[in-house]
Amino acid sequence: GAGVSQTPSNKVTEKGKYVELRCDPISGHTALYWYRQSLGQGPEFLIYFQGTGAADDSGLPNDRFFAVRPEGSVSTLKIQRTERGDSAVYLCASSLIDSSRYNEQFFGPGTRLTVL
Amino acid sequence: GNSVTQMEGPVTLSEEAFLTINCTYTATGYPSLFWYVQYPGEGLQLLLKATKADDKGSNKGFEATYRKETTSFHLEKGSVQVSDSAVYFCALSDPNDYKLSFGAGTTVTVRA
Repeated sequence: GAGVSQTPSNKVTEKGKYVELRCDPISGHTALYWYRQSLGQGPEFLIYFQGTGAADDSGLPNDRFFAVRPEGSVSTLKIQRTERGDSAVYLCASSLIDSSRYNEQFFGPGTRLTVL
Repeated sequence: GNSVTQMEGPVTLSEEAFLTINCTYTATGYPSLFWYVQYPGEGLQLLLKATKADDKGSNKGFEATYRKETTSFHLEKGSVQVSDSAVYFCALSDPNDYKLSFGAGTTVTVRA
C-alpha cells in the first residue's frame, strides 16, 4: 500500500513569507507526527496528533509554527514569517495506536524547506 | 529530559568489515530503544528495536542489545556490504510518550 507522502518535496521561499507543508499519512493511521531535521542533526519532535487534536505540541519552537489535522487524516504544517533558521527538512510520520504493543512510526520522504 | 548520544561519523569501512556504532541514552523513565536507517534518497526506516533490558533487536544482520546498566544500545554488524551505506540514527521513546528522541546520526560508507 501507499506510504506516507509529503508535498512539496522542496520549497524555496523568502524570509518573511508564509509556507504550508502537507502530509498524507498511511490510510487508517490515527497518529501523526511532525519532526524537523536540521543539517547534520537527527530529527527533532515538533507535534503529535491523535485523530484531529494535537495531543502534544511541546516541540513547536514558537508561535510562528502551527499545524492542523481537521479531518483526522491529512495534516498541514504552517509557518508564518519564515526566518533563515527555519531552513530544514520537515518530516512527517504516522502510526497506529495500540496500547498493547509498540506502534512503529512510518516516515515520509520529507519536505526540504529553504528560506533565503 | 530524554537525550541520545551516538558515535560521530563519518565512518568508512571496507566490505566484509565489522561495524559498531555506539549509542548511549539518558531517560527519565524506562524507554524503548530503536535504530533507524536512512538510505540515500529514501526516508527514515525502522531497522530494529528493543523494549526492555537485555532484549536484543536484530534485522538484516544488524544487532543491538538494550543494556540498562550502561544505558547503551550499540549497533553491530559482523560483515557489512556496500548496500549498508546509509545514515544510522539511534532513538528512544518513553513508554507513555509516543514521540521519538533521536541522536545526531552516523554516516556509514562501505567501499567495495
